[in-house]
Amino acid sequence: DVKVTQSSRYLVKRTGEKVFLECVQDMDHENMFWYRQDPGLGLRLIYFSYDVKMKEKGDIPEGYSVSREKKERFSLILESASTNQTSMYLCASTPGAPGEQYFGPGTRLTVT
Amino acid sequence: AQKITQTQPGMFVQEKEAVTLDCTYDTSDPSYGLFWYKQPSSGEMIFLIYQGSYDQQNATEGRYSLNFQKARKSANLVISASQLGDSAMYFCAMREGNFNKFYFGSGTKLNVKP
Repeated sequence: DVKVTQSSRYLVKRTGEKVFLECVQDMDHENMFWYRQDPGLGLRLIYFSYDVKMKEKGDIPEGYSVSREKKERFSLILESASTNQTSMYLCASTPGAPGEQYFGPGTRLTVT
Repeated sequence: AQKITQTQPGMFVQEKEAVTLDCTYDTSDPSYGLFWYKQPSSGEMIFLIYQGSYDQQNATEGRYSLNFQKARKSANLVISASQLGDSAMYFCAMREGNFNKFYFGSGTKLNVKP
């Protein structure tokens, strides 16, 4: 079974802090994604990566950056956390061939 | 324009009855895939069913079936014999062509009543 893990289920940070959200997948998938989920808005794509060191902006990249130094790991970075980044963050991965996304359990981030 | 539209923010269904969750999509790419995911209150996204644009038959997976009407650009999820454990958020999603970008709808919250 594909497993996607995220470093924290719940996180509380202060405004202005630098925040790292880690995602690891164990199935050698090429593609990895970061979404944020807010009520009534569904899932919105922040960034995705199709290979090591490669990244593409999604629909809402402002205030975020990403890093993919190893194939299995995709990190989301909030350079200076703000209260409007309080949200549920979901990581996902897919193999190179078209197929469904496999999701991690999510990180509920609160910025105070 | 919205790529995926789910017009039902919330729905109720009686246990053991069937329910249809609506999804319409917008694409000009002849090759695309349509997905449904379930998200229980615990938060994890669970893949339910997939329909490819070239698939001739509607997809089925156990109690889940996808009513695919290509001309109408709709991909409704039908859950037969609802169970209490079906209470969750349901998301419709689309992937266009060979791109790795997925588009999600805003979701439908389904409540199954005993």
